[in-house]
Amino acid sequence: DGGITQSPKYLFRKEGQNVTLSCEQNLNHDAMYWYRQDPGQGLRLIYYSQIVNDFQKGDIAEGYSVSREKKESFPLTVTSAQKNPTAFYLCASSARDRGSYEQYFGPGTRLTVT
Amino acid sequence: AQSVTQLGSHVSVSEGALVLLRCNYSSSVPPYLFWYVQYPNQGLQLLLKYTSAATLVKGINGFEAEFKKSETSFHLTKPSAHMSDAAEYFCAVTGTSYDKVIFGPGTSLSVIP
Repeated sequence: DGGITQSPKYLFRKEGQNVTLSCEQNLNHDAMYWYRQDPGQGLRLIYYSQIVNDFQKGDIAEGYSVSREKKESFPLTVTSAQKNPTAFYLCASSARDRGSYEQYFGPGTRLTVT
Repeated sequence: AQSVTQLGSHVSVSEGALVLLRCNYSSSVPPYLFWYVQYPNQGLQLLLKYTSAATLVKGINGFEAEFKKSETSFHLTKPSAHMSDAAEYFCAVTGTSYDKVIFGPGTSLSVIP
């Protein structure tokens, strides 16, 4: 089955530590996205990538970093510079061809930093 | 600039009643529009999408939405609510260069038995 996997489902870290969230897709999609969701809030775009080895900042990129070395993978690092990292993180991908712009989402990673 | 508003952050309906979730959008280019559903602690699932092929779009789980250009609306409806419909619903529109999707703030749907 094709889809998007995010691991782990729950992640706990101490304040001041960097942490990397995994996102893998086997849908052969060119575009991938990272969103942050806080309780009762909508989705806020952190970073996105349209093609391998290229990515763009979203609305709330400060304190985060990404890489796109492979088409299938788009890991997100939450750095110690992120002031309030505790949140639910969602990864998505999109084909963006032939008018197919819908995004497909992974199950999410809930990060708790204490 | 592209934007989405969803009227009502929380909507309650009785089981078996009509579900109506409102979405209005602003777009400077021909839009693609989407409705997503999110259950607690899960990712978003695509309910339906508008791609200009037809103004009335049918989706999964008995939901449908109608694109009204004159009203810049894309409201989501379901004739009869089921308990399993209780979730968060997000309306979304493509960005100006179609490289992103802009999400609305979401509407939480409660279904009362």
